[in-house]
Order: sequence, then C-alpha cells, then structure tokens
Amino acid sequence: DAGVIQSPRHEVTEMGQEVTLRCKPISGHNSLFWYRQTMMRGLELLIYFNNNVPIDDSGMPEDRFSAKMPNASFSTLKIQPSEPRDSAVYFCASSIHGEKLFFGSGTQLSVL
Amino acid sequence: GENVEQHPSTLSVQEGDSAVIKCTYSDSASNYFPWYKQELGKRPQLIIDIRSNVGEKKDQRIAVTLNKTAKHFSLHITETQPEDSAVYFCAARSYNTDKLIFGTGTRLQVFP
Repeated sequence: DAGVIQSPRHEVTEMGQEVTLRCKPISGHNSLFWYRQTMMRGLELLIYFNNNVPIDDSGMPEDRFSAKMPNASFSTLKIQPSEPRDSAVYFCASSIHGEKLFFGSGTQLSVL
Repeated sequence: GENVEQHPSTLSVQEGDSAVIKCTYSDSASNYFPWYKQELGKRPQLIIDIRSNVGEKKDQRIAVTLNKTAKHFSLHITETQPEDSAVYFCAARSYNTDKLIFGTGTRLQVFP
C-alpha cells in the first residue's frame, strides 16, 4: 500500500479564494482524521470520520471549514473563503479504530 | 474533553545520554497512549504505543511507562544518537472514541 496520499503538497492562494485539500486513506482503514499543525497551536484535530460518517467536528474552527467523505477511499477538506490565519500544514491520517494512525505527507497551505 | 500536557517543550542531551519526556492526561477513561516522532518537514510517525492494561513497554532503545493512578505516561530514550533529534508528540485516546488528542510536542536535540 502506498500509505495515506494527500494532494496537493503545497497550495498558495489569495485571501477569499476557495481551497480544497484531498486525502486517500489506506485501504481497509475505517477511521480518517484531519489535523492542522501550526507552531503556535501544535497538532489540532479538526474532524474525524468512522466508516465515512463524521463523528466529531468540534475542532473545525468555523463555518468556513467543511469536510466530506463520500466513500471509503476519499475525503476532502474545504475552506471557503480562505484567510491568512488558515495558513498551516494540514495532515490527513487513517487508522483502524483510532489506533496506530498513519499520516499523509501533509498539505502546506499559504493564504496571502 | 481530553487534554494532554507535555513537558519539556525542548530538551538537549549529549549523544549517549538518556532522554525522558513526560505527559499528563485529563480523561480517566483514556486507554491508548501512542508516541510519534516528527522530523523536520516530515509527517509524524508512530514509534511506540501502550494500552492502559500495560504498565511498561520497550522496543530496543525506547520505552514507555504508564501510571494510570497519576494519569501520566513517559517516553524514555536510552543511548541517544544524533538521528533521534526530532519533535516528539504524545497522545491519548478515550476508550469510547477514536479521537486522538496530541500533546504540544518536545523538540529533542542530541549533540554529538
């Protein structure tokens, strides 16, 4: 297995634009997580899914953020409209029942 | 909700010395405690994990200890090497959820 695959690796956009981050989890994993990493706040859990169903989105900063998992092999995290304070590294991770999380390579987002 | 505190935030040791990183958690229902290593510009990677029914676990030069009564757990690295230099994160998960909450990280520097 190629591991958790995220795209794009880098995204530079202007304030106000829509940003979509993509993730393909490891086949057979039933849990998917979106984390945001910054120097100030560390690794923050934004949302996680079990069997494609969103279970806990209490970490989503505000309504500008949304996430979907239409099937077991694909998830998106969307920011609309984006703001400079959204600049961070966004990681997707997958696991079996929340143990031994495997992280993707991350998306480095810069909002100018 | 779960809160995980991690100390110290930075740690410098001489090659060959031992390093200890400590974490405390707030939710007494937590039952799974992994440790992740993140090298500069890379993704976090699992290095060792422990469940609440075990007090200690070792894997070569690394070990983790758990004190459920005090709600704290520690990572021990013996015979440190320069390649151990990285940021280390502890995490905790409650038994009735897949939600993994991370500590704030410890930057370990091993000097030759």
